[in-house]
Amino acid sequence: NAGVTQTPKFQVLKTGQSMTLQCAQDMNHEYMSWYRQDPGMGLRLIHYSVGAGITDQGEVPNGYNVSRSTTEDFPLRLLSAAPSQTSVYFCASSETGRNTGELFFGEGSRLTVL
Amino acid sequence: TQLLEQSPQFLSIQEGENLTVYCNSSSVFSSLQWYRQEPGEGPVLLVTVVTGGEVKKLKRLTFQFGDARKDSSLHITAAQPGDTGLYLCAGAPQGGSEKLVFGKGTKLTVNP
Repeated sequence: NAGVTQTPKFQVLKTGQSMTLQCAQDMNHEYMSWYRQDPGMGLRLIHYSVGAGITDQGEVPNGYNVSRSTTEDFPLRLLSAAPSQTSVYFCASSETGRNTGELFFGEGSRLTVL
Repeated sequence: TQLLEQSPQFLSIQEGENLTVYCNSSSVFSSLQWYRQEPGEGPVLLVTVVTGGEVKKLKRLTFQFGDARKDSSLHITAAQPGDTGLYLCAGAPQGGSEKLVFGKGTKLTVNP
């Protein structure tokens, strides 16, 4: 059972570089989301999607783009990396868009921006 | 913005002790979830509580949702080293928003 798969697990970038964090789920979940986790800050929602072709902003969307062309994939793009984007990023999916559903998380992608 | 305050932020205890972790808010939530996260992994759902006053038990873990649906607690009996991890509460705001609100977490260490 693959569940939610994130790549890469680790990445080091220089300020100004761009990159894409990949997220794929094989559970046919409609809802997918991206969080960042920083010490003392908990999990903060970046972007989310309630289905293919639909995306919306979360709490901290600036500096990030997303798209949802298929049900399975929800990539997160960093347009011009900044040291403030150093964090651990988690992709999560849920069977429905209702916020009472269980979130299934990937193992995380640790990003360092120098 | 609806906030969930978790306390304590850190907790270090000896194996066999009991502990309680709290999750409080001034806002009402339609449901509340508890997750556990181990180092290097993503959070995993432990339980969802949806009714005010509800109590759920999962082996040595007891979860309670406050009568007013503004707070929740997690009680662990006879803690074991395998309980070590970050415990996160997450609330679903009333009104049907898709966005769960997460607390900042309680980092629990159970020493053998």
